[in-house]
Amino acid sequence: AAGVIQSPRHLIKEKRETATLKCYPIPRHDTVYWYQQGPGQDPQFLISFYEKMQSDKGSIPDRFSAQQFSDYHSELNMSSLELGDSALYFCASSLGQLGRGGGTEAFFGQGTRLTVV
Amino acid sequence: KQEVTQIPAALSVPEGENLVLNCSFTDSAIYNLQWFRQDPGKGLTSLLLIQSSQREQTSGRLNASLDKSSGRSTLYIAASQPGDSATYLCAAPNTDKLIFGTGTRLQVFP
Repeated sequence: AAGVIQSPRHLIKEKRETATLKCYPIPRHDTVYWYQQGPGQDPQFLISFYEKMQSDKGSIPDRFSAQQFSDYHSELNMSSLELGDSALYFCASSLGQLGRGGGTEAFFGQGTRLTVV
Repeated sequence: KQEVTQIPAALSVPEGENLVLNCSFTDSAIYNLQWFRQDPGKGLTSLLLIQSSQREQTSGRLNASLDKSSGRSTLYIAASQPGDSATYLCAAPNTDKLIFGTGTRLQVFP
């Protein structure tokens, strides 16, 4: 079965550089979520999109932006990278919105490991 | 604001034991709750989704229960194996996101 695809899997950037992470949701899934997970921490919610519109926002720095495109894939753009941005970045997708009722289940990708040096 | 906590934070057991992992949440107005498994440096694998209308959900050696009134969910692992070693996270939906617990790091030794 198709899963959530994230690219790249690994990324090394220097401070103050820009990075773009991509997420391809499971086919027919209309909702995408982005999470950041630091070493030894639980995943922290960044932002989500439903039907190409931002639906919820968490602790996402102003240096980060994201969008969901017409084919439902999403990109997380990170500028002016800092050492503290080094983390695993996960994308998840679902059919329908979490917390809106029904049997919506979220599926996660394998993540992008970003290292800022 | 939804807050999710998990106990114990870490667990080390010999192979074959039956285990109970605990998850507590503060906002009981949830539609469902998910349990995930995460291997070190890897992604999150969905183990079970339990609906608010259900009391239990089973998948193989895993059984999850949900008690909304008390704000608790448990994950029961039967006959644990070394391959079960991983971090287990529960997550509750809140508006349009999942709120994760801090996880239980499980080690099963032969």
